[in-house]
Amino acid sequence: GQQVMQIPQYQHVQEGEDFTTYCNSSTTLSNIQWYKQRPGGHPVFLIQLVKSGEVKKQKRLTFQFGEAKKNSSLHITATQTTDVGTYFCRGNTGKLIFGQGTTLQVKP
Amino acid sequence: GAVVSQHPSWVICKSGTSVKIECRSLDFQATTMFWYRQFPKQSLMLMATSNEGSKATYEQGVEKDKFLINHASLTLSTLTVTSAHPEDSSFYICSAPLTGRETQYFGPGTRLLVL
Repeated sequence: GQQVMQIPQYQHVQEGEDFTTYCNSSTTLSNIQWYKQRPGGHPVFLIQLVKSGEVKKQKRLTFQFGEAKKNSSLHITATQTTDVGTYFCRGNTGKLIFGQGTTLQVKP
Repeated sequence: GAVVSQHPSWVICKSGTSVKIECRSLDFQATTMFWYRQFPKQSLMLMATSNEGSKATYEQGVEKDKFLINHASLTLSTLTVTSAHPEDSSFYICSAPLTGRETQYFGPGTRLLVL
């Protein structure tokens, strides 16, 4: 079936280091969204990417959508302890499919 | 920004009882709401799409007779877990899109524990 694979599952970084999570779909996506879920909390919408090759930035966060619209990445520059949480991508294949999430831990 | 509330935030019940969870859009109208389930350390799984004024659309593998959804108004959708069993224990979250916007607003979630 249609899947959205997200890697890595967990990432521990030292504060100040960079972090990247990747999502790969088996089928072409009409769009992809990214969410952040803090421990014990609910997902919070971060951004939506629609166009092939699109790149969007939010302060230290950079989001990319692949040329084939099958993969996407979220990159955080110089992580801070406030970045801790689980980052989910959600692909739209006609069905809305969440990736498994990447849990980020940041050591101060 | 838009706000989605859920009630209750957590519930503990005995096996065999039914539990109703409410999802409300507080400052906008939502003709569509989504219900998700999330097990510990796992991703969100879409259970069903709630449509105001019509039947909900359930995802494959989700029993519609067990998870009853009613979208009674443009601001309220309810999910009733009927005859709950321990394996139904999970974190249930609803979301609603703001019409014409790309953003999905999630409720705070309801933690269900069935003993």
